[in-house]
Amino acid sequence: DIQMTQSPSSLSASVGDRVTITCRASHSTSNYLNWYQQKPGKAPKVLIYATSSLHSGVPSRFSGSGSGTDFTLTISNLQPEDSATYFCQQTYNTPYTFGQGTKLEI
Amino acid sequence: QVQLVQSGAEVKKPGASVKVSCKASGYIFTSYYLHWVRQAPGQGLEWMGIISPNGGSTSYSQKFHGRVTMTRDTSTSTVYMELSSLTSEDTAVYYCAREPSDGAHVWFDPWGQGTLVRVSS
Repeated sequence: DIQMTQSPSSLSASVGDRVTITCRASHSTSNYLNWYQQKPGKAPKVLIYATSSLHSGVPSRFSGSGSGTDFTLTISNLQPEDSATYFCQQTYNTPYTFGQGTKLEI
Repeated sequence: QVQLVQSGAEVKKPGASVKVSCKASGYIFTSYYLHWVRQAPGQGLEWMGIISPNGGSTSYSQKFHGRVTMTRDTSTSTVYMELSSLTSEDTAVYYCAREPSDGAHVWFDPWGQGTLVRVSS
């Protein structure tokens, strides 16, 4: 199985800041990497798919980059509603594993 | 709109089985694979398996092999996930999620609202 490791596990930032969350895969996943946002008590929602493609309706302050084993999610101009937990997911092969999550506090 | 609606919370005793349903609407049911993912309290997301609503073929995570069964009913656009031999470690919220694709890449969207399964004696 491909292990996904996110860092940091948690972070605190202010409105208007820019933050970066990192996801590292134990084996190359090419660009088969997605990012999700989950708020307490809710199901995850996709933000980014295929490493850098912004899902419909997601604000442009979210962006993704990377390839192979190292990926990043960047959130610019942080807003209060961005307070959530963020997960990366590889869909290079099954089992489709997730990172352990990064809790972002605004 | 595309929607996945899951069945309600369950409380089960150790050793029992649970069957969770996920009813799809707003799209052609047989056109998209569906996945099951679980999340233990305060923990991350764990992929359990995938079902093809078209032919009913399945693929399960090795971790759950022999304990999980995924089925579908095309007449009601519903998929089911049954997990047997439950232990306290199976206490989690179980999600179904649809798998869109751009022809090469896949992602999960939308997700069902989740079903809490609690295993307790």
